[in-house]
Amino acid sequence: DIQLTQSPSTLSASVGDRVTITCRASQSVSSWLAWYQQKPGKAPKLLIYKTSSLENAVPSRFSGSGSGTEFTLTISGLQPDDFATYYCQQYNSPWTFGQGTKVDIK
Amino acid sequence: QVQLQESGPGLVKPSQTLSLTCTVSGGSISSGAYFWTWIRQHPGKGLEWLGYINYSGTTNYNPSLKSRITISEGTSNNQFSLKLTSVTAADTAIYYCARGRVSVAAPNKWGQGTLVTVSS
Repeated sequence: DIQLTQSPSTLSASVGDRVTITCRASQSVSSWLAWYQQKPGKAPKLLIYKTSSLENAVPSRFSGSGSGTEFTLTISGLQPDDFATYYCQQYNSPWTFGQGTKVDIK
Repeated sequence: QVQLQESGPGLVKPSQTLSLTCTVSGGSISSGAYFWTWIRQHPGKGLEWLGYINYSGTTNYNPSLKSRITISEGTSNNQFSLKLTSVTAADTAIYYCARGRVSVAAPNKWGQGTLVTVSS
C-alpha cells in the first residue's frame, strides 16, 4: 500500500495567514491526489482533486500542487471557517489517506 | 441535490456481522457517472477506505479487510450496503458512505456518518 505522510501534524496560524500543508507519498501516485477538510463531528469535505482541480463551490483561496510523491495544499488568506483538520488521499487502489493536519488558532 | 444517509445497528457483538445500508436521495446508484464507497474513521483517528461498488455491480475492496467485506446494491435502486464479518473491537468506528464521480474518483458527496461500536 502507498503510505501518505502529512506535515506538519498540527499548525497554528492566524486569520489572513498563508498556510501550506505537505503530503509525501511512499511511491509515485502520479496526479491522483485529493485534499479534504474535516470539522469535528462532520464528514470530510472534498476540496481538491487530481492534485490541483478545485471542487465546485470551494473558495479559490484553496489551491493544490505537486506531482509524483510530493504535494501541497495552500490556503491563501486563512479565514475563520478554515480552522479544521485536513487530509490528503491518494486513489491508486487501495486508496489511502494521510494522518491529517490540524489547523488551529494561534 | 443528492444526499446520502447511513443506517444500521450502532452496537454489534464481537465475531458477529456488521451490516449498514446507505440510502441515496436525489439520485440513483445505477447511474454510470458515479461509484459508491464506504470509508471509516476510528474515533479520534484518520480515515480508512473500505471499498466501492460501481453502477454495474463491480466492486473493489481494501485488501486489509481480506475476505470479511462485501459491498452490494440494496434491494431498491437507491441503496447500497456494507457487510463486515467476524468483527472485533478494532472495527469500532464511524462509518461513512460516499459518492464519487467516475471521472474524478475522489468522493465529493458524503453521508453524515454512523458510529458502530463492537462490544459484548
